[in-house]
Amino acid sequence: EAGVAQSPRYKIIEKRQSVAFWCNPISGHATLYWYQQILGQGPKLLIQFQNNGVVDDSQLPKDRFSAERLKGVDSTLKIQPAKLEDSAVYLCASSLYDEQFFGPGTRLTVL
Amino acid sequence: KQEVTQIPAALSVPEGENLVLNCSFTDSAIYNLQWFRQDPGKGLTSLLLIQSSQREQTSGRLNASLDKSSGRSTLYIAASQPGDSATYLCAVRPGTYKYIFGTGTRLKVLA
Repeated sequence: EAGVAQSPRYKIIEKRQSVAFWCNPISGHATLYWYQQILGQGPKLLIQFQNNGVVDDSQLPKDRFSAERLKGVDSTLKIQPAKLEDSAVYLCASSLYDEQFFGPGTRLTVL
Repeated sequence: KQEVTQIPAALSVPEGENLVLNCSFTDSAIYNLQWFRQDPGKGLTSLLLIQSSQREQTSGRLNASLDKSSGRSTLYIAASQPGDSATYLCAVRPGTYKYIFGTGTRLKVLA
């Protein structure tokens, strides 16, 4: 079974630029999560989808972050404009029931 | 508000030693708890998932226990090996959809 795929793996941008991350979950997994992990911290949930509907986006900075999940499968997370404090690893995870499976993450550096 | 704490933040042990990693949470009303391993620069790998009705789960040399009343979970690693070196994270699901992560314990097993 293929795992969760994410791209790109690394991205370096300057502040005020925009960036987008892509996630392809495990086939058949209805739930998809985007997490932000700052160095030395545990992952923090940004947004959770159930199929293509948003279940929780309470910690998503909506003035600059947006996410969508097309047809309940792939998802994109966008930051516009980026700030220095957005430098982090962005992790995508999916689940069918309770167990979460994570992708390799995208490391974002904002200069 | 649910908070998850992992102590110690870092641990070094000689190869072959049995060890225990701790995870504490402030609200005992949880739906489940999941332990993960994270290697440097990588995503999270699921180790064990414990439902709220369970007391423990085992997989190979790993055993995770859950005591909801005291707000604690432990991950026991038997006969540690250098390949076990990684950061170990616990995450609790407090009855809603959201998972809340601890900050992790960075384990180093010395050959």
